[in-house]
Amino acid sequence: AQSVTQPDIHITVSEGASLELRCNYSYGATPYLFWYVQSPGQGLQLLLKYFSGDTLVQGIKGFEAEFKRSQSSFNLRKPSVHWSDAAEYFCAVGARAGGTSYGKLTFGQGTILTVHP
Amino acid sequence: DVKVTQSSRYLVKRTGEKVFLECVQDMDHENMFWYRQDPGLGLRLIYFSYDVKMKEKGDIPEGYSVSREKKERFSLILESASTNQTSMYLCASRHPTGRGPQHFGDGTRLSIL
Repeated sequence: AQSVTQPDIHITVSEGASLELRCNYSYGATPYLFWYVQSPGQGLQLLLKYFSGDTLVQGIKGFEAEFKRSQSSFNLRKPSVHWSDAAEYFCAVGARAGGTSYGKLTFGQGTILTVHP
Repeated sequence: DVKVTQSSRYLVKRTGEKVFLECVQDMDHENMFWYRQDPGLGLRLIYFSYDVKMKEKGDIPEGYSVSREKKERFSLILESASTNQTSMYLCASRHPTGRGPQHFGDGTRLSIL
């Protein structure tokens, strides 16, 4: 069964500092990987996704993530954090569609990001 | 842009009531999903539907049922609401091609008193 671990429940950074959110997954084959962001009281917005090819993927709002197969990781990074980035971030792993998977996702527990001015 | 609309942002119901949560998407997506979100647990899949009138149990289906009579609408039903079903409920849809991400609604915060 697939699983996702986000080791950091809560991270605090200063505005302008760099950011890295960790994500480790367990999956029997090459997975689909996603990062979503959730602002308070809102649904989830897709930041970026990895399916294949270049292991460094670019997303919206200046975020990027790197897929490292050897470490089973898909960490999210941003070089300079803005106060508006304060939110909860979710990493998710998806089975490649086919059979009965239907693109189901398994989510991590989430990481809450606080940004200090 | 994909639009997934959940009928209520906030809902308060009483124990034992039958509760309906509605979700509508406007992109003709075959696949739709219901999750519940609880602090520290992330999102957990309750049910999903891969096409009209089709449904599959997710990881935590107990106490819930679903209905998918039309492609655009996916309803979550709490047959007899209990206090442990107080939670945030999120609906999502996706196109069934291999690379389609899930698109989420804004969620319904449900309180069972």
